[in-house]
Amino acid sequence: AQSVTQPDIHITVSEGASLELRCNYSYGATPYLFWYVQSPGQGLQLLLKYFSGDTLVQGIKGFEAEFKRSQSSFNLRKPSVHWSDAAEYFCAVGTTNFGNEKLTFGTGTRLTIIP
Amino acid sequence: DSGVTQTPKHLITATGQRVTLRCSPRSGDLSVYWYQQSLDQGLQFLIQYYNGEERAKGNILERFSAQQFPDLHSELNLSSLELGDSALYFCASSVEVNTGELFFGEGSRLTVL
Repeated sequence: AQSVTQPDIHITVSEGASLELRCNYSYGATPYLFWYVQSPGQGLQLLLKYFSGDTLVQGIKGFEAEFKRSQSSFNLRKPSVHWSDAAEYFCAVGTTNFGNEKLTFGTGTRLTIIP
Repeated sequence: DSGVTQTPKHLITATGQRVTLRCSPRSGDLSVYWYQQSLDQGLQFLIQYYNGEERAKGNILERFSAQQFPDLHSELNLSSLELGDSALYFCASSVEVNTGELFFGEGSRLTVL
């Protein structure tokens, strides 16, 4: 069974600073990897996804993530954070069974932005 | 706005009671998923339906059941409620192909007293 680890429960970053959120996964086959963001009182929104090909993927809101098979990682990055980026971020791994898009989510990283 | 609608947004009930949560997926999406989000368990996959048929099952208790109707809306039924069932229940939907992109509703917050 697949699993996801997000080692950082809470991260605080100054506005304008760079950001990296860590994600490690465990899955026997080639993983489908995702980052979702949850703003307060909202549902989850997809930031980006990796299926295959280029290991550096671009997402919405200026986010990017890099898939590193050797490290079983899929870290999320942003060069300069904005106050509106304060939210909870979830990494997820998906199965590769056609028609079954069950995702396994990590426990999330709460991002706080300070002025 | 993801296009997924969940009702009710908030629900307070007592132990032992039964509630029904409703989800309308995005127009055209055939798959519906239910997730439970709680502080101690995080986001847990409960169940998936595809075009009316159960497709995958996760950590769903026997006291819980779900179905997807011909118009593709889905209902999650929670019975014999316990304090530990208090959580945020999300519905998500996706298109037919295996894109892995789920569109989440805003959730139904259930409080069991």
